[in-house]
Amino acid sequence: DAGVIQSPRHEVTEMGQEVTLRCKPISGHDYLFWYRQTMMRGLELLIYFNNNVPIDDSGMPEDRFSAKMPNASFSTLKIQPSEPRDSAVYFCASSWAGSTDTQYFGPGTRLTVL
Amino acid sequence: KNEVEQSPQNLTAQEGEFITINCSYSVGISALHWLQQHPGGGIVSLFMLSSGKKKHGRLIATINIQEKHSSLHITASHPRDSAVYICAVLSGGSNYKLTFGKGTLLTVNP
Repeated sequence: DAGVIQSPRHEVTEMGQEVTLRCKPISGHDYLFWYRQTMMRGLELLIYFNNNVPIDDSGMPEDRFSAKMPNASFSTLKIQPSEPRDSAVYFCASSWAGSTDTQYFGPGTRLTVL
Repeated sequence: KNEVEQSPQNLTAQEGEFITINCSYSVGISALHWLQQHPGGGIVSLFMLSSGKKKHGRLIATINIQEKHSSLHITASHPRDSAVYICAVLSGGSNYKLTFGKGTLLTVNP
C-alpha cells in the first residue's frame, strides 16, 4: 500500500484565496483525521470521520474551515477565505479503529498564506 | 481538558547513550501514543499503549496509569534517532480526540 497520500505537499497563496487540501487514506481504514501543526500550538485535531461521516469537528477553528469525505478513498479540507494565521502544516491520518489504534500519517501539506 | 507535558523539551546525546523522554498527563486516559517526527516532517506512530510496557527494537515505552506518567526509552542511541518525539493521550471520556504534548527534540551526535 502507498500509505496516506496528501496533495499538494506545499501551497503558497495570498490572503483571501480559497485553499483546498486533499487526502487519500489507506484502503480499508474506517477513520480519517485532519490535524494542524504550528510552532505555537503543536499538533491539534481539526476534525475526524468514521465511515465517511464527520464525527467531531469541534477542533475546526472557525467557519472558514470545512471538510468533506465524499467516499472512503478521498477527503478534502477547505479554507475560504484564507488568512496568514492559517499558515501551518496540515496532516491527514487514517486508522482502522480510531485513536485506540495506530494512526498512519500522510506527509503533510505545508501551507503558507501571504 | 487533559494537559500533556513532556520533558525535556530538548535533549542532546552522544551516539550509544541511553535516552529517556518523559510524558505526564493530568486526567485519566484510555490510551497513550508515542509518535516520531522526522526532520523532514513526516510523522510515524511508534507505540500505542494503555498499560505496562511495549518494546520494538531499541525502543521501549512504559506507562504508569496510577502516576499518570509514561516514558520512552531508546537504548544504544544512533544519529538516525534524531527526531522530535511526541506524546499524545486519549482521555477516557473522549470520542477519539487525541491531546498532544509539544514534543521533545532529540539530537544524537556521532
